[in-house]
Amino acid sequence: GAGVSQTPSNKVTEKGKYVELRCDPISGHTALYWYRQSLGQGPEFLIYFQGTGAADDSGLPNDRFFAVRPEGSVSTLKIQRTERGDSAVYLCASSLERGAGELFFGEGSRLTVL
Amino acid sequence: KQEVTQIPAALSVPEGENLVLNCSFTDSAIYNLQWFRQDPGKGLTSLLLIQSSQREQTSGRLNASLDKSSGRSTLYIAASQPGDSATYLCAVTQGGSEKLVFGKGTKLTVNP
Repeated sequence: GAGVSQTPSNKVTEKGKYVELRCDPISGHTALYWYRQSLGQGPEFLIYFQGTGAADDSGLPNDRFFAVRPEGSVSTLKIQRTERGDSAVYLCASSLERGAGELFFGEGSRLTVL
Repeated sequence: KQEVTQIPAALSVPEGENLVLNCSFTDSAIYNLQWFRQDPGKGLTSLLLIQSSQREQTSGRLNASLDKSSGRSTLYIAASQPGDSATYLCAVTQGGSEKLVFGKGTKLTVNP
């Protein structure tokens, strides 16, 4: 596609449930990033992939959060045992290559944990 | 730990006015600085990217400056239009890292 695509755009779940959020980056972009944005805040870094490997996962808040990118394209962010504090907009971005600078963001997946 | 601050948090101006948005960062060892625009319920759109060796970048009515030593950047918007209404976010990348550290943004409203 022309831009970064994220699905679902909205997800409402109950506390304790498992959630998967998907990101389809711009074709040919090797770098992929996940950020989390709470209301009134700037996005906070979660994880960065270069190709298939997670080059920096220092932003993942705890071991309930996990992300994969098995073929170096689509990425899935997985959240286990969701908590109300996980409610936020999860943003995905891609970049042509590492250190290329300009990031292209998707419109985000809004997660609400009841 | 890098911290990015944006002032003001919100700004309302009449159409046609020139305006300046401010961004400051605590650690001057940055690789680059980016300004983004975010419309309500949408993702971020990159506006300008300034490398650490550069002083400014221009795109149309937008001009961003960078003073790395003092930890400051400004985004200048000329002849503002209602369509410029959005939240503007500043973000820096540290040398040796790929992660962006964002400010909380400035919400701009341009009134017709």
